[in-house]
Amino acid sequence: GEQVEQLPSILRVQEGSSASINCTYENSASNYFPWYKQEPGENPKLIIDIRSNMERKQTQGLIVLLDKKAKRFSLHITDTQPGDSAMYFCAARWAGNTRKLIFGLGTTLQVQP
Amino acid sequence: DAGVTQTPRHEVAEKGQTIILKCEPVSGHNDLFWYRQTKIQGLELLSYFRSKSLMEDGGAFKDRFKAEMLNSSFSTLKIQPTEPKDSAVYLCASSGQASQNTLYFGAGTRLSVL
Repeated sequence: GEQVEQLPSILRVQEGSSASINCTYENSASNYFPWYKQEPGENPKLIIDIRSNMERKQTQGLIVLLDKKAKRFSLHITDTQPGDSAMYFCAARWAGNTRKLIFGLGTTLQVQP
Repeated sequence: DAGVTQTPRHEVAEKGQTIILKCEPVSGHNDLFWYRQTKIQGLELLSYFRSKSLMEDGGAFKDRFKAEMLNSSFSTLKIQPTEPKDSAVYLCASSGQASQNTLYFGAGTRLSVL
C-alpha cells in the first residue's frame, strides 16, 4: 500500500514545551521520509528529512526518529515558539526510480503563548 | 533563482467549465508533480512527470483531469468539466538531480467551482 497515516490532526501546546507528531507507513520499501511545514497562505517547505539508513537526525530544534521495524517515524519540536505554529506534513517515498512522495494528512500545530 | 511559478493564483469557474492551470518548474528540475490540497484529503498526487514523460496519472483523477508537460519548463493541468467538488488548492512541485530529494512547491492555484 501507499498510505501514510499522520497523527494527531491538531496539536496545541504551550510555548516552550515540546511537540511530537507521529506517522506510520505501509510500504516497507520506503527509504526516504521528509517533513514539510506549511504556514498559512504559503506553500509547503522542507524542514528536515531522514533516510532509511538512519534512526535519528537533529537540526535546529527539530528531531526526527525512524523505526523501520515498526514502519513509524516522528517529528519532535523542542522548545516550541509561536513561529512554529503551522501545518506539518510527513511523507514517504519508495525506493527505486521515483521521487514521488506520499503525504500524510497533516497536523495543525498551535503554539499558545 | 526562480522557484516554481504557478498561474493563476486564484480561479473561479462555473460548474461544467474547462479550466487550465499552469506551472513552470525550477529551471533544471526534471521531476514535476501536481498535487491537490484539501482539508479533508490533504495532499493528493494527481500527476508525476519525469523528463517530460508521464510516470503516474493518479487513478481516481483520470477521467476529468489531464496534465501535460509540453516542454521541460512548462506544464498544464486541465480540468474538464469542472465540478464543485474540485474546489481546492492545486500545487505544482518540482525536484531535480541537484536537489535530489527536496520537492519545491509553487504558491498554488486556489480553485473555486460554483
